[in-house]
Amino acid sequence: DQQVKQNSPSLSVQEGRISILNCDYTNSMFDYFLWYKKYPAEGPTFLISISSIKDKNEDGRFTVFLNKSAKHLSLHIVPSQPGDSAVYFCAAVEASGSRLTFGEGTQLTVNP
Amino acid sequence: GAGVSQSPSNKVTEKGKDVELRCDPISGHTALYWYRQSLGQGLEFLIYFQGNSAPDKSGLPSDRFSAERTGGSVSTLTIQRTQQEDSAVYLCASSFSGRGYGYTFGSGTRLTVV
Repeated sequence: DQQVKQNSPSLSVQEGRISILNCDYTNSMFDYFLWYKKYPAEGPTFLISISSIKDKNEDGRFTVFLNKSAKHLSLHIVPSQPGDSAVYFCAAVEASGSRLTFGEGTQLTVNP
Repeated sequence: GAGVSQSPSNKVTEKGKDVELRCDPISGHTALYWYRQSLGQGLEFLIYFQGNSAPDKSGLPSDRFSAERTGGSVSTLTIQRTQQEDSAVYLCASSFSGRGYGYTFGSGTRLTVV
């Protein structure tokens, strides 16, 4: 039972353009959502998060949007840079929970 | 150290052998998690330690897997009688709150069972 799904295993964009990574979830008890970025041979690193009481959170080039009615969130990166090329994981946690549930990840490639 | 340290970084073992993977969390972090990432898969939860509470072992895939955390710090994940399907990157993370926020991951141990 995959409670967090990232349906696009890969995404390729041109440098300077917008990257949009999508994530869907099924568990209505999730109340906090996070995006992690992973380079090869390294552990995932935290990128940005959003609480379920918000619908948008912005940090520099990164913005996360949450649509609770659709159980959907997205990560926008603009402008995209070659150094953004990595695997991006969406994750969620329940209000009463203590562990993150991760999606499968999306490999983003930003071409110069 | 400043980060989560995992050892070894790579391990190749023969099918049927036992392996031990080690995780040194960030000092002061009370919560410690083990995840694994198989080829082409997401991060799969294995086990969670929080302070002196009983660990949440609900993610361990079989009784060949066990983990302990000594003195509330270092953790060891043991896989007995390894199988080829155990091949994966095993990731450890620690956090201060145990709420699920603010995980800091180690670089992982890449386990290959041949």
